[in-house]
Amino acid sequence: KAGVTQTPRYLIKTRGQQVTLSCSPISGHRSVSWYQQTPGQGLQFLFEYFSETQRNKGNFPGRFSGRQFSNSRSEMNVSTLELGDSALYLCASSQGTPSNQPQHFGDGTRLSIL
Amino acid sequence: GQQVMQIPQYQHVQEGEDFTTYCNSSTTLSNIQWYKQRPGGHPVFLIQLVKSGEVKKQKRLTFQFGEAKKNSSLHITATQTTDVGTYFCALNSGGSNYKLTFGKGTLLTVNP
Repeated sequence: KAGVTQTPRYLIKTRGQQVTLSCSPISGHRSVSWYQQTPGQGLQFLFEYFSETQRNKGNFPGRFSGRQFSNSRSEMNVSTLELGDSALYLCASSQGTPSNQPQHFGDGTRLSIL
Repeated sequence: GQQVMQIPQYQHVQEGEDFTTYCNSSTTLSNIQWYKQRPGGHPVFLIQLVKSGEVKKQKRLTFQFGEAKKNSSLHITATQTTDVGTYFCALNSGGSNYKLTFGKGTLLTVNP
């Protein structure tokens, strides 16, 4: 079974630009969660989607948005990029409720803002 | 909001020594998960604890859930260089089933 696939693996952008990251979950997994990982703040929850519906959102500004498609693939978008958005963005999938089922993480997208 | 404290932040040991990381929550937990992230890798699920006072073992790793379900620990016996990485606890207080709150992790380095 293929694991969680995130594309692209690396991305370099400049301030003010926008970016879209993609995540394909494990086949059969309908829940996709997104996290931002930085050395100072650790893993911070961005949002979670299930059957194309956002069920929960973390404490991030509205510049961070996401969506999920009918095939469970998910995208997250960050608009008006800031230097502080430089981070590793990880997505994780699970069969159902992420709080009580193992989260399977992708390798992440490393975003650098110049 | 839910607060989670994980200590220590860093731990350096000699190969063969034991290692323990602790996770404490400000609220009573429904369950707790543990993950390991190798340098340059992504978090990998290790285990989930659900019951008060639960103890689970995986080879040299022992996981405990506190009686009050507000704290947990991960203990590694006789560390090996393959144990190097960051160990995270992830919490669900029951307020929202759709969100995991991760501790900041404990980075373990092992001197061969």
